[in-house]
Amino acid sequence: QSVLTQPPSASGTPGQRVTISCSGSSSNIGSNYVHWYQLLPGTAPKLLIYRNNQRPSGVPDRFSGSKSGTSASLAISGLRSEDEADYYCAAWDDSLPGRVFGGGTRLTVL
Amino acid sequence: EVQLVESGGGLVQPGGSLRLSCAASGFTFSDYYMDWVRQAPGKGLEWVGRSRNKANSYTTEYAASVKGRFIISRDDSKNSLFLQMNSLKTEDTAVYYCVRDKISDYWGQGTLVTVSS
Repeated sequence: QSVLTQPPSASGTPGQRVTISCSGSSSNIGSNYVHWYQLLPGTAPKLLIYRNNQRPSGVPDRFSGSKSGTSASLAISGLRSEDEADYYCAAWDDSLPGRVFGGGTRLTVL
Repeated sequence: EVQLVESGGGLVQPGGSLRLSCAASGFTFSDYYMDWVRQAPGKGLEWVGRSRNKANSYTTEYAASVKGRFIISRDDSKNSLFLQMNSLKTEDTAVYYCVRDKISDYWGQGTLVTVSS
């Protein structure tokens, strides 16, 4: 069982907006940055959002992140077929100490 | 261009040892924290451990699942990161990724470690 909790699945149709939640605690999300990663089949993970809401260069502005208290969210607007992938949140946990990941959310574009 | 290339994976029997290497290029390796992250077949991402940079005395941290069995080291003169894995268990079977920085902005392609008799 992962320290950070994500829904196992999410779905949407092309053009829709979907959000993926990530719930933690005061020792991780509550006191540290949240980062999001995209895993496409057969490829290495890709950084999507860092420090809660920052986008690396090259990541479309359709992707956005937010954080409030001990929870964070990844939003994808204008959903496209190529967004079908697994998404993971991560944060440092001061109580371990160590890095913790969510269990991952598989996004299906219907 | 930042590149991270892992090597050293393979098949090993339970109780055995393996040493993974990660060759880094395209950035000042000594400035960065480096992590190892793994993904078991059909499972999610799991953080294995961290090597901090010289400015932070090269201190290391480990996940509870590998503490006491795995050792992370680095050679800044060779831009290389290492993962010494001892007392391997079947549950250590995974693709192991070398990852740059606290935000994990760059990942290698991974190397597969299979622990099986």
